[in-house]
Amino acid sequence: GAGVSQSPSNKVTEKGKDVELRCDPISGHTALYWYRQSLGQGLEFLIYFQGNSAPDKSGLPSDRFSAERTGGSVSTLTIQRTQQEDSAVYLCASSLGASGGPSTDTQYFGPGTRLTVL
Amino acid sequence: GDSVTQMEGPVTLSEEAFLTINCTYTATGYPSLFWYVQYPGEGLQLLLKATKADDKGSNKGFEATYRKETTSFHLEKGSVQVSDSAVYFCALSGERNYGQNFVFGPGTRLSVLP
Repeated sequence: GAGVSQSPSNKVTEKGKDVELRCDPISGHTALYWYRQSLGQGLEFLIYFQGNSAPDKSGLPSDRFSAERTGGSVSTLTIQRTQQEDSAVYLCASSLGASGGPSTDTQYFGPGTRLTVL
Repeated sequence: GDSVTQMEGPVTLSEEAFLTINCTYTATGYPSLFWYVQYPGEGLQLLLKATKADDKGSNKGFEATYRKETTSFHLEKGSVQVSDSAVYFCALSGERNYGQNFVFGPGTRLSVLP
């Protein structure tokens, strides 16, 4: 079956430009996560969507970062006025968002979008 | 808050050597525990998981046992192969019922030499 897909796979942009990164989660998954992975580093949580609930934006590093999820499916991460320190791989993951508490949920990751800000 | 600590890498082993990557966690209640693997140039993928104390997750020759008494979930493999070279992430999923509750460790890079 189809996994999590992300587009574009690579994005090179100039400092100060806006970029949009797209994530298509696995069909039927109600939970969606965005992470950032800088070179040689671990995963940095950015934002989490669960169904129709208000998203958890606690990981967004600045107000230049925003994300939305339309119709409970596709999500777009937008970075405005990009800076060189935004260069990283942006990973999207989805999970069932199991009822009865998420403690047994498994996240499935997309291949990531490599963003390079010149 | 919840946290995951795993051994710093890189870890370099010869083929057929025994592998242990330590992982310990701090969490309230009874989290689920995971190991994810990221092969060179690829995305993260689930390697194994355990959802309750004393459970053993296993896959591709890797094993990890959920030890609540020591709050650990160490990853082991009896005989590594060159193809196991990757970055391994320990993670937990806590009992919060709102907001994100997935916490990842920093990752351990494993290099297996022929």
